[in-house]
Amino acid sequence: DAGITQSPRYKITETGRQVTLMCHQTWSHSYMFWYRQDLGHGLRLIYYSAAADITDKGEVPDGYVVSRSKTENFPLTLESATRSQTSVYFCASSESHRETQYFGPGTRLLVL
Amino acid sequence: QQQVKQSPQSLIVQKGGISIINCAYENTAFDYFPWYQQFPGKGPALLIAIRPDVSEKKEGRFTISFNKSAKQFSLHIMDSQPGDSATYFCAAKSGGYQKVTFGIGTKLQVIP
Repeated sequence: DAGITQSPRYKITETGRQVTLMCHQTWSHSYMFWYRQDLGHGLRLIYYSAAADITDKGEVPDGYVVSRSKTENFPLTLESATRSQTSVYFCASSESHRETQYFGPGTRLLVL
Repeated sequence: QQQVKQSPQSLIVQKGGISIINCAYENTAFDYFPWYQQFPGKGPALLIAIRPDVSEKKEGRFTISFNKSAKQFSLHIMDSQPGDSATYFCAAKSGGYQKVTFGIGTKLQVIP
């Protein structure tokens, strides 16, 4: 039972490049989320999705794009990476009628 | 705008002592208050949660105290152990929405 996985686990890129972070869950959970974790800010919601083809902005969506063509996948794309997007990114999922969110192991992104 | 204020940001407790982390909120629509525990290099995981219709919930050495009138809640870790060393996040969610608002986190270190 793989649960929720993220790839890559570590990524170094340069300013202006496009980067896609992948998230895959095996539970068929309806909801999926992307957070970024930064010291002094905790976990901040970037985007979330209630179902396939349904996405909505969170607290800090600028500079990010998401898609959800399949229930199990929720990729996050940085269209033109900036140094301020250096962070640890977490994907999470939850069932529609339950509150518990299950987090992936995270992707550590460094933008030079 | 921080909807869930968490303190302290860091905490050092001796083994066997009591660790206390406090959170406060403003949004009276919040009706579910989880605490997540995060070990280094891992994603957060649900530790314990409470709803505002009870003032206290205990699971093993972990207790949530909830004060609805003061809009405050806290996590108490009794008989703290080195294995409890982690970052703890309080959070809040309002009914009908799967979005969770997190506090900034408290890094707990339990020293032998």
